[in-house]
Amino acid sequence: SQQGEEDPQALSIQEGENATMNCSYKTSINNLQWYRQNSGRGLVHLILIRSNEREKHSGRLRVTLDTSKKSSSLLITASRAADTASYFCATDGPGTYKYIFGTGTRLKVLA
Amino acid sequence: DTAVSQTPKYLVTQMGNDKSIKCEQNLGHDTMYWYKQDSKKFLKIMFSYNNKELIINETVPNRFSPKSPDKAHLNLHINSLELGDSAVYFCASSSGAEAFFGQGTRLTVV
Repeated sequence: SQQGEEDPQALSIQEGENATMNCSYKTSINNLQWYRQNSGRGLVHLILIRSNEREKHSGRLRVTLDTSKKSSSLLITASRAADTASYFCATDGPGTYKYIFGTGTRLKVLA
Repeated sequence: DTAVSQTPKYLVTQMGNDKSIKCEQNLGHDTMYWYKQDSKKFLKIMFSYNNKELIINETVPNRFSPKSPDKAHLNLHINSLELGDSAVYFCASSSGAEAFFGQGTRLTVV
């Protein structure tokens, strides 16, 4: 299967703590993106990191990319209850017209 | 204004029926997609279109037929619906980098 993998599958933390989730993929990529999906809702685009970038920040989000290990991590700092959602990574490769998604991490932030 | 919009949001129908889901994007993107999210939340590509041309058909049964009347629209028609077609279907568009998704259509086949 081309499906990427994310770990952990589920993560439960207290409000104010940091949350880290990891994504591994299988093929060479152009870009890697992270998405959030609240329960029963659509996919919200969070951040994109290109294959020649190693780290990117957006507000409380920090994404790293290690192409040698074919892995990425998403760090959410100072988490809030509203961050409770599933988080997915998605990669696109050279010459492809598709985004391959990871299996997702379910994050629960307890107030 | 919603960037990628799809209708309907919910669709409940009986086995054997034919149904359509519509998708429109106002981002000026050249590429549009249909994804299926199953009960385990896995997201898998079904089709991608670039400039109204089918680029990817990811081993989807031919009961599923996408149609792109123009670059801003990609509709999905499903014939002879089966119980296993129950899922959430997402439309998306991109210009080659970020992909933006619609809110999803929850299809329930009874």
